[in-house]
Amino acid sequence: KQEVTQIPAALSVPEGENLVLNCSFTDSAIYNLQWFRQDPGKGLTSLLLIQSSQREQTSGRLNASLDKSSGRSTLYIAASQPGDSATYLCAVTPHFNKFYFGSGTKLNVKP
Amino acid sequence: DGGITQSPKYLFRKEGQNVTLSCEQNLNHDAMYWYRQDPGQGLRLIYYSQIVNDFQKGDIAEGYSVSREKKESFPLTVTSAQKNPTAFYLCASKSEASGTNEKLFFGSGTQLSVL
Repeated sequence: KQEVTQIPAALSVPEGENLVLNCSFTDSAIYNLQWFRQDPGKGLTSLLLIQSSQREQTSGRLNASLDKSSGRSTLYIAASQPGDSATYLCAVTPHFNKFYFGSGTKLNVKP
Repeated sequence: DGGITQSPKYLFRKEGQNVTLSCEQNLNHDAMYWYRQDPGQGLRLIYYSQIVNDFQKGDIAEGYSVSREKKESFPLTVTSAQKNPTAFYLCASKSEASGTNEKLFFGSGTQLSVL
């Protein structure tokens, strides 16, 4: 069974710092990987989706990379802001109706 | 605006009681999902539906039931057989049931607690 791990579980950084969040998965047979943001007590918002044939995707200050062979993805956030504070989750899709989620990294950006 | 509406936001269940969580979407999406989220854990799939009048069990279906009588609606019933129902429940959808590269859209969730 696919296992998805996100380390660290929590991260605190000063405003303006560039940072990297990590996601690893055990089975490289995936269609895609998505990164989500979750604010406290809210649902998830999809930030980026990387197809298995792609190496990276960018949206504004966010850049996500995918290395299927090593089972790793990173989410790079440039020039972090207090508004970026949230929990970030990754999910892999080994089947069109299966999404396996990591437990998330809780990010706190201090003013 | 298109989206997924979950209600209520907070729900309390008494022992032995069945409760129903509502999920409505106006995105015209084919596939809908119910997930359970426990503190500090990833989301776990309860049920999913690819088409009206059809649904499949996910990884933790015991103690739950669903229906899909309309494309827009996918309610979840937490039955008295679910002995540990306290959790945050999330409804999600994607546009094509068999699509492999589509984003998941989520509702804002329902927090269920036991009295």
